[in-house]
Amino acid sequence: ILNVEQSPQSLHVQEGDSTNFTCSFPSSNFYALHWYRWETAKSPEALFVMTLNGDEKKKGRISATLNTKEGYSYLYIKGSQPEDSATYLCALTPGTGGFKTIFGAGTRLFVKA
Amino acid sequence: DADVTQTPRNRITKTGKRIMLECSQTKGHDRMYWYRQDPGLGLQLIYYSFDVKDINKGEISDGYSVSRQAQAKFSLSLESAIPNQTALYFCATSDPATNTIYFGEGSWLTVV
Repeated sequence: ILNVEQSPQSLHVQEGDSTNFTCSFPSSNFYALHWYRWETAKSPEALFVMTLNGDEKKKGRISATLNTKEGYSYLYIKGSQPEDSATYLCALTPGTGGFKTIFGAGTRLFVKA
Repeated sequence: DADVTQTPRNRITKTGKRIMLECSQTKGHDRMYWYRQDPGLGLQLIYYSFDVKDINKGEISDGYSVSRQAQAKFSLSLESAIPNQTALYFCATSDPATNTIYFGEGSWLTVV
């Protein structure tokens, strides 16, 4: 069974701090890596999808990198704002098994003003 | 309007009752999914369907059944609800080109 691990489980930062989270996945069965943002009382929304080793994606103050050889991805938030408070989900679409996407448990970010 | 719509959004039901969660999507994608979210766990796949004639079990299909009535509609049933099926349920569809998943707003189900 493929497993996607995220760390830390939760994180409290002050407004203006920069922060990063880690997603680890089996490097042997990879097709795509996704990041989603899930705000309270809403549904998860896609941030990035990455498919190539070395991919870097950026959206405003949020960026992500991908290392498929060692099986990890980092999500960075520069200058955190209270509206960044959310759960950030990492998800792996494996290359076999019908392309069923597997989700990590998420990192819960709290940004204090 | 949301691209993926689920009904009901909240439901309290009694143990042993049958309940259906309905889902429709306007993205035009063939692939549809039902996920369950429990605190501290990742989204767990219950069932998925890659087209109208295709139904597949996910990781936690026991106690659930599904029906794919049309490309746009995918319903989830709990034939005899039990308290440990209390959870947040998401319907979703995905873009086959990117595998990006588009989620519904979620359905809170409480089994008492």
